[in-house]
Amino acid sequence: AQRVTQPEKLLSVFKGAPVELKCNYSYSGSPELFWYVQYSRQRLQLLLRHISRESIKGFTADLNKGETSFHLKKPFAQEEDSAMYYCALSVVRGANNLFFGTGTRLTVIP
Amino acid sequence: GAGVSQSPSNKVTEKGKDVELRCDPISGHTALYWYRQRLGQGLEFLIYFQGNSAPDKSGLPSDRFSAERTGESVSTLTIQRTQQEDSAVYLCASSFSSGGGASYEQYFGPGTRLTVT
Repeated sequence: AQRVTQPEKLLSVFKGAPVELKCNYSYSGSPELFWYVQYSRQRLQLLLRHISRESIKGFTADLNKGETSFHLKKPFAQEEDSAMYYCALSVVRGANNLFFGTGTRLTVIP
Repeated sequence: GAGVSQSPSNKVTEKGKDVELRCDPISGHTALYWYRQRLGQGLEFLIYFQGNSAPDKSGLPSDRFSAERTGESVSTLTIQRTQQEDSAVYLCASSFSSGGGASYEQYFGPGTRLTVT
């Protein structure tokens, strides 16, 4: 069975400091991994996906199949990055139903 | 255009009552999903509709839960004989047609907060 683990419920960093939100997954096949973000009083929205290999709002995430990880990183945190971040996995490309981690609340301290 | 909308935004009901939650997807999105988020937990997949295909009900937690979708438009999630453990935020999402290789971005609604007393 598939599972997504986000070990940190809360993470606080100072503005300008690097940030890394951890995500590990378990799945025997080839999953598709995503990061979703929910800013205060806003809807859950897609931040990035591993197949796009993009940097969004300065964030990047690399899929490490050996370590079954998909950690989210940003070299210099900004106050507007404060939000709830969810790692998610889709087990069949195109089928789309997502399996989510429990989320990490990131607070960037000014 | 408008995003995914859900109603009601909040619902308080007594244990044992039935509730209906509504989702209006983005026009043109053929795929529609329901998720549940209990306090302190991640989103839990419930059910998935794709066009006219039979829905994927594999995430429904019990036979008290059911959902319908009219064509490629509105969906309703019904919970019968509600229990306190059904208290959660119920989120709906829609996307373009899935399948064929590419996974499309899911657009989420604001959710319905259900409280069973």
